[in-house]
Amino acid sequence: AQSVTQPDIHITVSEGASLELRCNYSYGATPYLFWYVQSPGQGLQLLLKYFSGDTLVQGIKGFEAEFKRSQSSFNLRKPSVHWSDAAEYFCAVGVRPGGTSYGKLTFGQGTILTVHP
Amino acid sequence: DAGVIQSPRHEVTEMGQEVTLRCKPISGHNSLFWYRQTMMRGLELLIYFNNNVPIDDSGMPEDRFSAKMPNASFSTLKIQPSEPRDSAVYFCASRMSTGLSNEKLFFGSGTQLSVL
Repeated sequence: AQSVTQPDIHITVSEGASLELRCNYSYGATPYLFWYVQSPGQGLQLLLKYFSGDTLVQGIKGFEAEFKRSQSSFNLRKPSVHWSDAAEYFCAVGVRPGGTSYGKLTFGQGTILTVHP
Repeated sequence: DAGVIQSPRHEVTEMGQEVTLRCKPISGHNSLFWYRQTMMRGLELLIYFNNNVPIDDSGMPEDRFSAKMPNASFSTLKIQPSEPRDSAVYFCASRMSTGLSNEKLFFGSGTQLSVL
């Protein structure tokens, strides 16, 4: 079964600083990978996803993530954080079509981002 | 499109009571998912449906939990009887699944459940 680990429960950065949120996954084949953001009181919003092709994926709000197969990682980055980026971020892995449990998304525990002015 | 609609937004109930959470997926979507979010366990998939049929309910914690999808535009998650440890945020999500790719998953705003 697939699993996702987000090693950092809470990260604090200053506004304007760069950001990297870590995500490691476990899956027997190349997975589908996602990053979601959840703002307080809101549902989850998709930031970006990786299905295949270029391993550097661009998303919304200036975020990007890089799939590194050798490290089983899919870290989320942003060069300059804005105060509005304060939220909880979830990494998720999905099973490709044809695999068992197709359609199932497994989420990490989440990383809470605090942005200091 | 109004997006995935969940109701109620907040539910406070006493232990032992029946709780019913409701979800209206986005029109045209054929897959629906119920997730539970707690601080301790993060986001957990409880059950998902394809074309109104339950595909995987292995995440349903106990027999006290049940989910139905009587038609393409409505699903319920029921807890009977409820317990304090069921307190969590319950998310519903939907998407169009073609079998060829994982389409974008849209989440509702969640139902905050508190069982006293």
